[in-house]
Amino acid sequence: QKEVEQNSGPLSVPEGAIASLNCTYSDRGSQSFFWYRQYSGKSPELIMFIYSNGDKEDGRFTAQLNKASQYVSLLIRDSQPSDSATYLCAVKTSYDKVIFGPGTSLSVIP
Amino acid sequence: EAQVTQNPRYLITVTGKKLTVTCSQNMNHEYMSWYRQDPGLGLRQIYYSMNVEVTDKGDVPEGYKVSRKEKRNFPLILESPSPNQTSLYFCASSLGGSLSLKAFFGQGTRLTVV
Repeated sequence: QKEVEQNSGPLSVPEGAIASLNCTYSDRGSQSFFWYRQYSGKSPELIMFIYSNGDKEDGRFTAQLNKASQYVSLLIRDSQPSDSATYLCAVKTSYDKVIFGPGTSLSVIP
Repeated sequence: EAQVTQNPRYLITVTGKKLTVTCSQNMNHEYMSWYRQDPGLGLRQIYYSMNVEVTDKGDVPEGYKVSRKEKRNFPLILESPSPNQTSLYFCASSLGGSLSLKAFFGQGTRLTVV
């Protein structure tokens, strides 16, 4: 089992819809969870982070963490074509390692 | 402007020829790290540094060296590059501790070893 897993996609959603991206992790003691967005040919940029169970909202983005089930998700409301990118889930494990998932490619269709 | 600067952006080299990729940040960050990104594998951490003169191995350190003599600089050294080190490399910096993943990334260096 990989330490951090994501569906590679591509995930296609129509403009204005909700995009749902998921990430599972294997280390139950992980404490910090981050979502990065990476446009093609560009470097990753942080869009959300979450530490505790529940939801965290920032504009059109909501991060949801469920530690018992060991998954974290990212919801993008009112998806725009400019949201088309690869979304990377990153986890800081209990043994102080930073593990990135392989990323999910999102395509928002106008 | 807060930024992480990597050089060069593109590099083609031959097997065995030593090379250095430089990384510099102007945010006074303590934590710096190097990643490589390969299709289907995502970002994998090569080395990280929690402060000056403190470095540690990430997940894929073999074939790489780093140094942290100054807070702002964190060069990546390939003493004897091989074709399997062809990849996209990113340097990143952050405040460290639990914020070590709130990282700012450099523009990336695309390395090809032939």
